[in-house]
Amino acid sequence: DVKVTQSSRYLVKRTGEKVFLECVQDMDHENMFWYRQDPGLGLRLIYFSYDVKMKEKGDIPEGYSVSREKKERFSLILESASTNQTSMYLCASSHPVGGSLLGTQYFGPGTRLLVL
Amino acid sequence: AQSVTQLGSHVSVSEGALVLLRCNYSSSVPPYLFWYVQYPNQGLQLLLKYTTGATLVKGINGFEAEFKKSETSFHLTKPSAHMSDAAEYFCAVSPIKAAGNKLTFGGGTRVLVKP
Repeated sequence: DVKVTQSSRYLVKRTGEKVFLECVQDMDHENMFWYRQDPGLGLRLIYFSYDVKMKEKGDIPEGYSVSREKKERFSLILESASTNQTSMYLCASSHPVGGSLLGTQYFGPGTRLLVL
Repeated sequence: AQSVTQLGSHVSVSEGALVLLRCNYSSSVPPYLFWYVQYPNQGLQLLLKYTTGATLVKGINGFEAEFKKSETSFHLTKPSAHMSDAAEYFCAVSPIKAAGNKLTFGGGTRVLVKP
């Protein structure tokens, strides 16, 4: 079974703090993703990575950065947390399109972040 | 740019009744299409996907979806709802050739099943 784990299920941080969210996958997937999920907006892509040390901005990268030093680990960083970053954060991983799994993404359980 | 519209943010069905969740997409070429389900306090789980071939796709838990190119739709159905189907459902699309196979999600539809 594919397993994607996230370092925390719940986090409470203060405005201005630097926040690290960690994601680890155990299936040797090339692609990894960070989304935020807000009611009525579905999932919106923050950043993704298709290889170690490679990253690309998604639809809403402002206020976030990422790090991928190892293939299995993808970190999301909130440089200076703000209240509008209170949200559910979901990590996902996948093989590239063209492989037999044709792009299916596997998701972690999510981290619910509250910024006070 | 691609976009996905799910009609109805909340749907209420009786146990045993038909479940119908609507999804329409906007794309210059037919994309790959996905339905994911999210149970309370969990991540998303793939229900089914359409890539090529037969336009009627069967997934897990008795769900199926039909790709209709002329209508740019990919509606999800289940003939008989079960209490365990209460969850939030997301339709998503992905370009056929895209680095990292990015998904674009709809806003989600929350399903409530009444006994």
